This record gives sequence, C-alpha cells and structure tokens, in this order.
Amino acid sequence: RKEVEQDPGPFNVPEGATVAFNCTYSNSASQSFFWYRQDCRKEPKLLMSVYSSGNEDGRFTAQLNRASQYISLLIRDSKLSDSATYLCVVRGNNYQLIWGAGTKLIIKP
Amino acid sequence: SAVISQKPSRDICQRGTSLTIQCQVDSQVTMMFWYRQQPGQSLTLIATANQGSEATYESGFVIDKFPISRPNLTFSTLTVSNMSPEDSSIYLCSVLWTEKNIQYFGAGTRLSVL
Repeated sequence: RKEVEQDPGPFNVPEGATVAFNCTYSNSASQSFFWYRQDCRKEPKLLMSVYSSGNEDGRFTAQLNRASQYISLLIRDSKLSDSATYLCVVRGNNYQLIWGAGTKLIIKP
Repeated sequence: SAVISQKPSRDICQRGTSLTIQCQVDSQVTMMFWYRQQPGQSLTLIATANQGSEATYESGFVIDKFPISRPNLTFSTLTVSNMSPEDSSIYLCSVLWTEKNIQYFGAGTRLSVL
C-alpha cells in the first residue's frame, strides 16, 4: 500500500462546477498535511495547508479526518485556470514530505 | 517566502557524462532537499542536503551516483554521475521554511540523457 494515495484522474470538469479530491495516508503519526498544485512543466507550489478543524481559502476548502486518515480538497466554481495536477502531501515528524502521485484536473469551457 | 534559483533549467547530455545542478536560496535555510520527478510521476526524494556534512540519502539512491554538496546555508549542488537514459527526469531543489512549515521548490532542471 502506498503511503499517500490519490485517485490519479484525470477529472474532466465543466467550468463553474464543484470538484472534490480525496487522499488517504497510511501513517497515523503524520503531523502535517498539505495540498500542492503543479502546473504542467512547472514546480509544485503550495496551495494550502490542511488543519484539523478544516480550513477555507476563497473557493478552496480543505478537510482532515485523522480517525479515517483522510484528507480532502473541494474547489467551488471552478475556473479554467484551476487546471493542474493536485498533490496531496503528508509530513511525519522528521520534516520529510511524503507525496501522493497527484490528481490531474482538466476544466473545460 | 524563499526565492530559489536553480540552474541549469534544462540540459541534454550524453550517456556516461556527469551534470551538476546548482541551487541558490536568497536566505539561510536549515533544510534543503533534492527530488526527482519522472514523467507522469510524483516526486521522489533523493536526499537531504546537510550543511557541513554528508547528505542523507533515501533508499535506492547512493552518494557515488548522486553526490551532493552543501557548503553553506544558502547553496547546494547535486551531481548526476555517469548518466544513462534512465536518469532522464526533472530534478528539483527544495527548502523548508521551518517557521511556517512550508516547503518551496526551485523551478527544476529538465535533464535528457541520450
């Protein structure tokens, strides 16, 4: 079993729709959780950290369920510019990041 | 946020040769990392670059193949030695901004080995 698992997609979604990504992690001792975004042929960039109480940043909402070892990302009112690969990332207590394989999102006009 | 300059941005190399990738950060950082990302895949950690001591390599990566230098808190190099076509990949330098628990990446080096 992979340490961080994501649906690889691609998700083909019409502009304006809501899309949800899920991610599960295997190490119950994981300390920090993140969603990164990677555009084609670019480096990953932090989209948002994920907090236990859930957090929102504009159209983006992240949730964490420690009991189920599950992380989610919700994008509302999707834009063409949201097309990218979304990477679920988990950190243990040694500062090393464990990366999911990413979910590719394609927003269609 | 940290500004990371990585170079070269891309290179095409002959098998058997070596390439050194440089990573320069605009501020002092404790933790620096080197990753590899093969086409269509996620990131794989090669090693943690330790200032003033040998890098800490992940399983499957060895110092003879991927020697790393970290002479100070703002600079590191990764060398890909005795290259083969299987080394064709994107190599990414990364730093951890510990105060904010955020990891930043350089733009990457796209390496093709013929």
